[in-house]
Amino acid sequence: DVKVTQSSRYLVKRTGEKVFLECVQDMDHENMFWYRQDPGLGLRLIYFSYDVKMKEKGDIPEGYSVSREKKERFSLILESASTNQTSMYLCASSYASGSLSSYEQYFGPGTRLTVT
Amino acid sequence: TQLLEQSPQFLSIQEGENLTVYCNSSSVFSSLQWYRQEPGEGPVLLVTVVTGGEVKKLKRLTFQFGDARKDSSLHITAAQPGDTGLYLCAGIGGTSYGKLTFGQGTILTVHP
Repeated sequence: DVKVTQSSRYLVKRTGEKVFLECVQDMDHENMFWYRQDPGLGLRLIYFSYDVKMKEKGDIPEGYSVSREKKERFSLILESASTNQTSMYLCASSYASGSLSSYEQYFGPGTRLTVT
Repeated sequence: TQLLEQSPQFLSIQEGENLTVYCNSSSVFSSLQWYRQEPGEGPVLLVTVVTGGEVKKLKRLTFQFGDARKDSSLHITAAQPGDTGLYLCAGIGGTSYGKLTFGQGTILTVHP
């Protein structure tokens, strides 16, 4: 079974703190993604990575950075957490190429981050 | 930026009723996926539709991709409480490394 794990299910941080969210996948997927999920807004892409050390901004990258030093691990960093970054954060992975039907994304269980 | 408008945002129905969720865009997508998410879990893929006009069935769930590949629908027949969850449509544009554009989601509650 494909497994995507996230370092924490729940996290409470203070405004201004640096926050690290870790994601690990065991399927040797090339692509990895970070989303945030807010009620009524669906999933919005923050950053994605298509290879080790490669990254591209998604739709809402402001206030976030990422790191991918190893293929299986993709980290999301909040440099200085703010209250408007309180959200559910979801990590996903997928294969990079193949048929259109092979772009299935496998998701972790999510990290609910609260910034106070 | 490609957008997907999903409707309705909320659906609350009784067991045994039928329902349809819609996913619309002004943009053409190469393919469209439907995911289901249960509380405390990440979304899980239900189906991918690739060809315009394609219809796929998964037990009581029927998925359709519009002829112009700009819209899709999910129809559930005789809904059951186990169908309760958040349903998300997601489209793939060009190639973009398999990047998905998600709709806002539909929260479905099926009452016994």
